[in-house]
Amino acid sequence: AQSVSQHNHHVILSEAASLELGCNYSYGGTVNLFWYVQYPGQHLQLLLKYFSGDPLVKGIKGFEAEFIKSKFSFNLRKPSVQWSDTAEYFCAVNAPLDSNYQLIWGAGTKLIIKP
Amino acid sequence: ETGVTQTPRHLVMGMTNKKSLKCEQHLGHNAMYWYKQSAKKPLELMFVYNFKEQTENNSVPSRFSPECPNSSHLFLHLHTLQPEDSALYLCASSQEAVTEQFFGPGTRLTVL
Repeated sequence: AQSVSQHNHHVILSEAASLELGCNYSYGGTVNLFWYVQYPGQHLQLLLKYFSGDPLVKGIKGFEAEFIKSKFSFNLRKPSVQWSDTAEYFCAVNAPLDSNYQLIWGAGTKLIIKP
Repeated sequence: ETGVTQTPRHLVMGMTNKKSLKCEQHLGHNAMYWYKQSAKKPLELMFVYNFKEQTENNSVPSRFSPECPNSSHLFLHLHTLQPEDSALYLCASSQEAVTEQFFGPGTRLTVL
């Protein structure tokens, strides 16, 4: 079965540190890739997405992610984090399942930024 | 953001109660979803409706019963739930099954 793996369940960083959150998936075919963020007390919202084209995608709030097909990875990066980036981050992959596409989710990474 | 709304936001119910969760999307999307979000677990897809037709039921117990009367509304009817069903229930919608999903704020359900 397809799966999405997020390597770190908790990450603690200081402000201005660089961030990289790992995401690997298991499906070998064509996929659509997403990073979502859930700020404390708020609903899930889309950070960025990759469907095709340039494998380096830029999202909101200075986030970017790189799709590396050979590594089945879609890691999220930000060069300098802020306290307001404290949130839970979810990687998701849209892949075929039976006759339909289904969004398969990672378990999430809780990011805490120390002021 | 009011693209996808959910009511109620919080619900406490006993194991013998019957209640319903409501979701409404104002985005003109064709697909709607119910998810269960529990601590330390990936989001669990429960049901998918595409053009009002149910296309996925991920082995969800029959005590959860979805209803999609039109492409803008989705309900989750709850009956004789168990304490382990306590979780955040999220509704989402998307234009198509392959495009990004937009989420509501969720209903925090506690089963006593």
